[in-house]
Amino acid sequence: AQTVTQSQPEMSVQEAETVTLSCTYDTSESNYYLFWYKQPPSRQMILVIRQEAYKQQNATENRFSVNFQKAAKSFSLKISDSQLGDTAMYFCAFSKTGANNLFFGTGTRLTVIP
Amino acid sequence: DTEVTQTPKHLVMGMTNKKSLKCEQHMGHRAMYWYKQKAKKPPELMFVYSYEKLSINESVPSRFSPECPNSSLLNLHLHALQPEDSALYLCASGIRLGETQYFGPGTRLLVL
Repeated sequence: AQTVTQSQPEMSVQEAETVTLSCTYDTSESNYYLFWYKQPPSRQMILVIRQEAYKQQNATENRFSVNFQKAAKSFSLKISDSQLGDTAMYFCAFSKTGANNLFFGTGTRLTVIP
Repeated sequence: DTEVTQTPKHLVMGMTNKKSLKCEQHMGHRAMYWYKQKAKKPPELMFVYSYEKLSINESVPSRFSPECPNSSLLNLHLHALQPEDSALYLCASGIRLGETQYFGPGTRLLVL
C-alpha cells in the first residue's frame, strides 16, 4: 500500500521569504508520479507541480520547485519569494502510473504573513 | 485550458430530498473522479470513471449514485442523505487513469 506523510500540520512564512514543505512517501512501485496541490480558502484544489519518478531532474514552476530524493522517498516543495496569495493548504500526493487512486497526505496549512 | 466546472457551488438539502451534482470538462479527458472532502482533511476518493465506465466504487453508500452520460459530463445523484454527508464534493478529470488530475471548484453540500 502507498502512504504519504506530511509531518508539518502548520507553517508560516514572512512575505518575500522562502519556505520548504516536507513530504515523504512509501511505495514499492518503480513508476509513479508525485504532486503538490494547493487548496486556498476558496477551496479549489490547484495543481502546483508534478514530478515523474523516472526523471532525475527536479521539477520547477516559476517560484515553486521540488527536491525529489527517490532513494529517501522524499518530495519537498520550496516556495521562493512567498506571496500573500500562497496562503493555502498544501497537499502532497502520489499516483502509481496507470492506477485509479491518488493518495494524499494530510496537508500542511501555510500562512504567509505580510 | 485545464478547466473543470461544477454546479451548483452550494447546495442545502433535507434528508428526504433528491438532488444532483454536475461536473463538466471539455479537455478530452477520459478519466473522471468524484471525491468527498471534510474540513481540514484530504479528499477521499468515491468513484472513478474511465472511458465512461465505472472503474472504482470505493464502498460508497447507495444513497450516492454516479452517472457518466458522455465523455464530458459526470453527475452525482443524491438521495436520502444523512447530515454526516455534509462536505465539499470535488470532481476531477485526467487524460487517462493514473495521469495528472485536474480538480473543479467543488460543491459545498449541507444536509439538514
